[in-house]
Amino acid sequence: EPEVTQTPSHQVTQMGQEVILRCVPISNHLYFYWYRQILGQKVEFLVSFYNNEISEKSEIFDDQFSVERPDGSNFTLKIRSTKLEDSAMYFCASSSMPYETVKAYNEQFFGPGTRLTVL
Amino acid sequence: KQEVTQIPAALSVPEGENLVLNCSFTDSAIYNLQWFRQDPGKGLTSLLLIQSSQREQTSGRLNASLDKSSGRSTLYIAASQPGDSATYLCAVGDSSYKLIFGSGTRLLVRP
Repeated sequence: EPEVTQTPSHQVTQMGQEVILRCVPISNHLYFYWYRQILGQKVEFLVSFYNNEISEKSEIFDDQFSVERPDGSNFTLKIRSTKLEDSAMYFCASSSMPYETVKAYNEQFFGPGTRLTVL
Repeated sequence: KQEVTQIPAALSVPEGENLVLNCSFTDSAIYNLQWFRQDPGKGLTSLLLIQSSQREQTSGRLNASLDKSSGRSTLYIAASQPGDSATYLCAVGDSSYKLIFGSGTRLLVRP
């Protein structure tokens, strides 16, 4: 069964360093998302991406964050200068939404996550 | 701003019991509602998706209902098993397709 994959599973970095989290969405999906979950807190939306551009971003997704789909399979989240408070589990998700008339069918499938630890 | 609340926060039941998890949301203008399972330190597994036009959805021992007008959804688990122990998350999908999550219900099914 197709699944979303993420690498690495765990990333440790020093404060101020840049990190890139990688995701391979399900192959025929068109919408891509990043969410994060700080330990003990709710899963929070960061950004959605469709047709090679950002569809929506939350207030968390500031200028330090960027997303890219560098090729036909990968979807990346870059944090330019990490802060201690960026430590969290980052989840990538994808969904298939080929037609506006079936927008209610937007079931999102999540990857296993990347645990980011900023020291 | 949409807020999603789940009660109870934690639940411990003996094996075999039927149980109900509750989810409420403040804005009834949702596109769908999705229930997930999360095991400790793991990703989110989609259990059920209810479209905004549907009242319920079933998968095996799971049944989810949706009452948009009252801003409520329930997840019913029949004949619970120790393998059902996990955190169950409710998430509502809004007009921009993003999901807004509740805090989850941590379920322990005792053998």
